[in-house]
Amino acid sequence: IVLTQSPGTLSLSPGERATLSCRASQSVSSNYLAWYQQKPGQAPRLLIYGASSRATGIPDRFSGSGSGTDFTLTVSRLEPEDFAVYYCQVHDRSVGFFGPGSKVDVK
Amino acid sequence: EVQLVESGGGLVQPGGSLRLSCAASGFTFSTYWMHWVRQVPGEGLVWVSRSNSDESIRSYADSVKGRFTISRDNAKNTVYLQMNSLRAEDTAVYFCAGALPPSGTAIAYWGQGTLVTVSS
Repeated sequence: IVLTQSPGTLSLSPGERATLSCRASQSVSSNYLAWYQQKPGQAPRLLIYGASSRATGIPDRFSGSGSGTDFTLTVSRLEPEDFAVYYCQVHDRSVGFFGPGSKVDVK
Repeated sequence: EVQLVESGGGLVQPGGSLRLSCAASGFTFSTYWMHWVRQVPGEGLVWVSRSNSDESIRSYADSVKGRFTISRDNAKNTVYLQMNSLRAEDTAVYFCAGALPPSGTAIAYWGQGTLVTVSS
């Protein structure tokens, strides 16, 4: 499976809405689709699992949707701490794959 | 508080071996799938391997299959990654990580990583 994320970089201002896309080369189970946030020098943080379930402690401005080959992570109103790189991840037949990442930076 | 602490990284020559260890605490280790994920500094995340609770299911990325082996000791709350026949392209920070049961695919817990450098 190949995961493609778009856009590669998204330049936005605090308070704006961020919409990130993750497309799989073949249909995947939504149960195994997750999104992560990573900031420089830090380990990744789980945001969304099962395509749409928020992980523990994740604010409700983060939401996930999608099925089949197309998935979306939305940040409804960007806070200063949300500027980071976002990765989607899927498992297929017990093997894992990450997308290349989408960077959200300050406009 | 959940903690994952990796050790064992360092400089190794091409063709050499290294064993990474990861000590876990703060969660029920024996029920979690454990993963290894690597990242070249400045680049993206790459999934490496995972093991279920009793090692009956262990899977690997194609790039490391046959060279790397994941194992775990539930009595010691520790997961290992034995890396053999190392190549320059294996140079990366290696993260130990724990994934939510029952699917074992969503990685909720991450260590801070240990750097492996393969170079002569």
